[in-house]
Amino acid sequence: GAVVSQHPSWVICKSGTSVKIECRSLDFQATTMFWYRQFPKQSLMLMATSNEGSKATYEQGVEKDKFLINHASLTLSTLTVTSAHPEDSSFYICSAGPSGITRIDYEQYFGPGTRLTVT
Amino acid sequence: GQQVMQIPQYQHVQEGEDFTTYCNSSTTLSNIQWYKQRPGGHPVFLIQLVKSGEVKKQKRLTFQFGEAKKNSSLHITATQTTDVGTYFCAGSSGTYKYIFGTGTRLKVLA
Repeated sequence: GAVVSQHPSWVICKSGTSVKIECRSLDFQATTMFWYRQFPKQSLMLMATSNEGSKATYEQGVEKDKFLINHASLTLSTLTVTSAHPEDSSFYICSAGPSGITRIDYEQYFGPGTRLTVT
Repeated sequence: GQQVMQIPQYQHVQEGEDFTTYCNSSTTLSNIQWYKQRPGGHPVFLIQLVKSGEVKKQKRLTFQFGEAKKNSSLHITATQTTDVGTYFCAGSSGTYKYIFGTGTRLKVLA
């Protein structure tokens, strides 16, 4: 199966600072990746669809100026949480379809996630 | 918007007992997928259902898609401690975007 990595696995930052999270496809090229957010003991909420070479598509209610997504290459998508606040503390996970292809009948391979704590 | 609910939210069972989680969508689905997330881990794909009334089995796991394609279930026979985790269904209404259910957290007591 496809291997997706994330870096860092955890990060602690101070309120008001920005944090960048990287999502890499290790053995395939991904034109599309997804970013999710998961609060403790809750479900995964789709934040945005990251598209290589174009703007990300954000879900309703997600502030695009706060959660900056850049998909500059076929193997790397980044999520930057700008001016982070304690309420942004969460588990952020990215995913991609097999071989980087996105289709309704394809499963998603998830990265290991990044736990962000804003103090 | 589309909502996907799961019941129960939590389930504690004795090892060897059966377990079932139910998934209900507010809208008709094209596809439904099931994932398992171990504590501290990330979701791992289990299976996908596409056809109305479809039933699929994976060893002790049985997955079913409702006739109206608005609900689904996952049944585990004779649970083991390795079954511990949160089970999510995820439904699509026709696009590549899947909405995850609220999840059912399973705890198996040895």
